[in-house]
Amino acid sequence: GAVVSQHPSWVICKSGTSVKIECRSLDFQATTMFWYRQFPKQSLMLMATSNEGSKATYEQGVEKDKFLINHASLTLSTLTVTSAHPEDSSFYICSANPIGGGYNEQFFGPGTRLTVL
Amino acid sequence: RKEVEQDPGPFNVPEGATVAFNCTYSNSASQSFFWYRQDCRKEPKLLMSVYSSGNEDGRFTAQLNRASQYISLLIRDSKLSDSATYLCVVNPTTGANNLFFGTGTRLTVIP
Repeated sequence: GAVVSQHPSWVICKSGTSVKIECRSLDFQATTMFWYRQFPKQSLMLMATSNEGSKATYEQGVEKDKFLINHASLTLSTLTVTSAHPEDSSFYICSANPIGGGYNEQFFGPGTRLTVL
Repeated sequence: RKEVEQDPGPFNVPEGATVAFNCTYSNSASQSFFWYRQDCRKEPKLLMSVYSSGNEDGRFTAQLNRASQYISLLIRDSKLSDSATYLCVVNPTTGANNLFFGTGTRLTVIP
């Protein structure tokens, strides 16, 4: 149980296009999902906290108009990278906190590797 | 100052060796602490939570020193399969469940 999927797992796009990444909790519901970004040889950096039915909370330095987050249901959050540029190339990972779960019950998706040409 | 700072490594150790990783955190009010393991190009996976009294799970022992804001992970009898990056992770905020990750320590266990 407690499986989180991400789609796509790998995407290559041209500069200026938008890319949507989906994060789904497959066998549990989550009011809160998190989006992280990991550059090569660096740690995961929290980008935003996605709350079902309300606006996402963005970390300092993350542009909310560039990284659009929608959390329309208890099992799906999406991250859209708008007008992607090569510096947005990174590994994007989501995680989900099961409803009623503790802090250590944050389950991670397999990640999406984005390459912007 | 970073929320979480980790010994960067890399650590290259022979099979059977004992290896220890260290980590410090900046927010003295942090409540929850974890060690995650991340394999290359994969998502992080929870290895173990870290409790104030220290805790052990098989060959893995985690320690927390709140006074020094210091966390450690000890791996005994290293296996080849232990090769991975170990991430020190802290939940810095009471009432929220976001996590802050250290940069990770790369471990390679050599046959």
